[in-house]
Amino acid sequence: ETGVTQSPTHLIKTRGQQVTLRCSSQSGHNTVSWYQQALGQGPQFIFQYYREEENGRGNFPPRFSGLQFPNYSSELNVNALELDDSALYLCASSFWGSGNTIYFGEGSWLTVV
Amino acid sequence: AQTVTQSQPEMSVQEAETVTLSCTYDTSENNYYLFWYKQPPSRQMILVIRQEAYKQQNATENRFSVNFQKAAKSFSLKISDSQLGDTAMYFCALPHMDSNYQLIWGAGTKLIIKP
Repeated sequence: ETGVTQSPTHLIKTRGQQVTLRCSSQSGHNTVSWYQQALGQGPQFIFQYYREEENGRGNFPPRFSGLQFPNYSSELNVNALELDDSALYLCASSFWGSGNTIYFGEGSWLTVV
Repeated sequence: AQTVTQSQPEMSVQEAETVTLSCTYDTSENNYYLFWYKQPPSRQMILVIRQEAYKQQNATENRFSVNFQKAAKSFSLKISDSQLGDTAMYFCALPHMDSNYQLIWGAGTKLIIKP
């Protein structure tokens, strides 16, 4: 049990639709990051948030966007869904500082049909 | 560029045996951290063990230990007295030099513990 919770756990969307995934970080953690994990692959970094601002981004298009709220919870939004967006989306939280361990939630399974 | 390589796509051992998973990496940093994460069929990514590069002593967590060879850039995970619950994907990860929260991952090793 990491204290990082994500919702929903599973969802199915149609190509072209928009989706919002939510994450509550572990108590005391002020940094949140999001990863996409396709089946059979390792996670790919999408972006991270600290103090409600994005301060790091991986190789993902602008239709992937996010928010971090004052309570450090976070949202991942994906617009204009494509079939290749089908994946497990992992939220991770940590406390800002060198070497602090990153803890992951259970993930949200997104299927785009 | 920083890279993480896991050269064993799949391994299987009998319950109670010892198994070692390999990981090599490349980074130009001198001080960094390395992690092993476990991902069981439930898909939650669970931290197994972490190593600080400036520490010469190998990290140990109960049945899990690492063999960290900084000069060789090698970071293997040893699981002693393996249990059925150890069946999972195991990922080696290295923080990106520009961000401690952007992890660079290996391709993973699927470990199967047989009864």
